[in-house]
Amino acid sequence: KAGVTQTPRYLIKTRGQQVTLSCSPISGHRSVSWYQQTPGQGLQFLFEYFSETQRNKGNFPGRFSGRQFSNSRSEMNVSTLELGDSALYLCASRAGTELYNEQFFGPGTRLTVL
Amino acid sequence: GENVEQHPSTLSVQEGDSAVIKCTYSDSASNYFPWYKQELGKGPQLIIDIRSNVGEKKDQRIAVTLNKTAKHFSLHITETQPEDSAVYFCAASPQGRLYFGRGTQLTVWP
Repeated sequence: KAGVTQTPRYLIKTRGQQVTLSCSPISGHRSVSWYQQTPGQGLQFLFEYFSETQRNKGNFPGRFSGRQFSNSRSEMNVSTLELGDSALYLCASRAGTELYNEQFFGPGTRLTVL
Repeated sequence: GENVEQHPSTLSVQEGDSAVIKCTYSDSASNYFPWYKQELGKGPQLIIDIRSNVGEKKDQRIAVTLNKTAKHFSLHITETQPEDSAVYFCAASPQGRLYFGRGTQLTVWP
């Protein structure tokens, strides 16, 4: 079974631009979560989507948004980029039908904001 | 919300020795506790997990213990090998969302 895939793997943007990151979950998984990883703040939860609906949301500004498609693929968008948005963005998928389901992470997208 | 603390932040051991990483959590509603290993340039990899109705779980050289009363859980790696070198994260989950500790950089010297 293929794992979680994320594209692109690396991105360089400038302040004020916007960016869209993509995640394809493990086949059959209906839940996709997004996390931001930085040296200063560690791993922080952004949001979770299940069956195209946002099920949970972390404490990030409205510039961070996401969506999920009918095939469970998910995208997250960051608008008006700031230097502090430079981070590794990780996507995790799980079956989603039980609260205990294991979450499997993709390799991440490394975003650099100049 | 949930607060997870992890110690130590760095750990160096000789090959063959044991390594122990400890975490505490604050939310008694947390009922799922996974551990992840992250190697350089890769995403976190789930290595073992434990649910709140279990006190201990073992998988070959890796074991995890959970004390619900004290709200702490630990990862034990025995017979460490150089390939165990990585950053290890604990996490607690009240309802699907993961709250992570700050990570432990484990270095195993040959």
